[in-house]
Amino acid sequence: SQTIHQWPATLVQPVGSPLSLECTVEGTSNPNLYWYRQAAGRGLQLLFYSVGIGQISSEVPQNLSASRPQDRQFILSSKKLLLSDSGFYLCAWKSSSETQYFGPGTRLLVL
Amino acid sequence: AQRVTQPEKLLSVFKGAPVELKCNYSYSGSPELFWYVQYSRQRLQLLLRHISRESIKGFTADLNKGETSFHLKKPFAQEEDSAMYYCALKGSARQLTFGSGTQLTVLP
Repeated sequence: SQTIHQWPATLVQPVGSPLSLECTVEGTSNPNLYWYRQAAGRGLQLLFYSVGIGQISSEVPQNLSASRPQDRQFILSSKKLLLSDSGFYLCAWKSSSETQYFGPGTRLLVL
Repeated sequence: AQRVTQPEKLLSVFKGAPVELKCNYSYSGSPELFWYVQYSRQRLQLLLRHISRESIKGFTADLNKGETSFHLKKPFAQEEDSAMYYCALKGSARQLTFGSGTQLTVLP
C-alpha cells in the first residue's frame, strides 16, 4: 500500500534562516506530488506541483522553492524565511483516479 | 480560470439536524468535484467525489451544473461529523483547486 511521510512534524525557525521540509512517498512510482500551505481562514493553497524528477511548477510567487531530486522525494525550501512563511505545510500525491492523498503535515513557526 | 467558493467559514448545527455545506465553482468546461475532510488530529482525506455518486458516512453531494454548485448534505448530523471540510475542483489542469474550507461543529 502507498504511504506518504513528512518531516519534521514541527519546526520553529528564526526569520532569515533557511528551510528544508521533506516529503517521501512509498508504494507508488512516478507520482504527481504537491506542496500546499494550509492557513486558518484561507483554506488550502497550492504552492508547487511536480509530475516527475526535476519538474517543478510553481503556482504562486513567493519566498519558497521546491525540488524533486528523486522520483518519490519532494522538498520544500527557502534560503531566508519570512514571518509570513509560518503555517501548516502539506504534501500530497495523486493516484490515477485523481484522488489526492495527504501527508501528516509540518507546522512551521517563524519567529 | 478555476475557482471554488465555500461561503461559510464556520457552521454549527445541533446533533440530529440536517446539515448542508455549500460549494460553488467557476469553470467553463466539465469539472470533476470532490469533498475532502480533515478531522481533528487526522490527515486531510477524500470524503467523496461526484463521479462516484456515492454516500459516505451519510453524506451526499450532487453536482448541479446549472447552478455550478456541489453542496454537501447530510440529513442527520452526528457529533463525529465535526471537522474541516474542503470542496475541490479538477478542471483541465493537473492540480486541484480547493475552496477556503468550512469548519463544521455539531453540537450535542
